[in-house]
Amino acid sequence: AQSVAQPEDQVNVAEGNPLTVKCTYSVSGNPYLFWYVQYPNRGLQFLLKYITGDNLVKGSYGFEAEFNKSQTSFHLKKPSALVSDSALYFCAVRVGGGSQGNLIFGKGTKLSVKP
Amino acid sequence: EAQVTQNPRYLITVTGKKLTVTCSQNMNHEYMSWYRQDPGLGLRQIYYSMNVEVTDKGDVPEGYKVSRKEKRNFPLILESPSPNQTSLYFCASSFGAGGYTQYFGPGTRLTVL
Repeated sequence: AQSVAQPEDQVNVAEGNPLTVKCTYSVSGNPYLFWYVQYPNRGLQFLLKYITGDNLVKGSYGFEAEFNKSQTSFHLKKPSALVSDSALYFCAVRVGGGSQGNLIFGKGTKLSVKP
Repeated sequence: EAQVTQNPRYLITVTGKKLTVTCSQNMNHEYMSWYRQDPGLGLRQIYYSMNVEVTDKGDVPEGYKVSRKEKRNFPLILESPSPNQTSLYFCASSFGAGGYTQYFGPGTRLTVL
C-alpha cells in the first residue's frame, strides 16, 4: 500500500536561514511525488513535483526538492527562508504509470519562519 | 480565469439532512477528486473520477456519494450526514492522474450538528 510520512508536525526556522521539510514515501512501483502548500484559510497550491529525470526539482517561490530513491525521500528545501513562507506543507505520492487515480497525502508540516 | 469552484463555502447542518457540495472546473480536466482535511490527519481522498461516468473510491468513501455526469462538475453528496463528517472539504481537478498537477478549490467547511 502507498503511504507518505512527514515526520515533523512543525518546523521552526529563523528568517534568512535554510529550511528543510522532510517527506518519506512507500509505494510498490515508481513514484510520482508532489509538494503542495496551504496558506491560512486557503486551498492548496502546487509547489513542485518529481516524475522522472533529474533528482533535484526546482519549483515555485524558490523551493526545491531532492528525490532520493535509496532513502525513499523527497525533502523540500529552500536556501533562505522568508516570513511569508510560513504555511502548512503537504507531501503527496502516487504510483507512476498514469492508471492509478489514488493520491496519498502526508499529514502536513507546519512551517513557522520567525523574523 | 482557470479555476475550481466549490459551493457552498460554509455549511452548518444537522444529522441526517441530505446535502450536496458542488464542484465545478473550467479547465476541461478529465480527472476530479474530493478530499477531506482534518487536524492531524492531513488530506484524505474520498472519491475520484478519471473521466465522465467513471468514479472510484479513495481512502475514506464511507458515507459519501459522487457522480460525474458531465466533465466540468463533480458533486459530493452526503445522504445522511453525521457529526464525524464535520470537516474541511476540497475538490481538485487535473488533466489526468499520474504526474499531472492537481488544482484545488477554495474549500468547503462543513459542520454537522
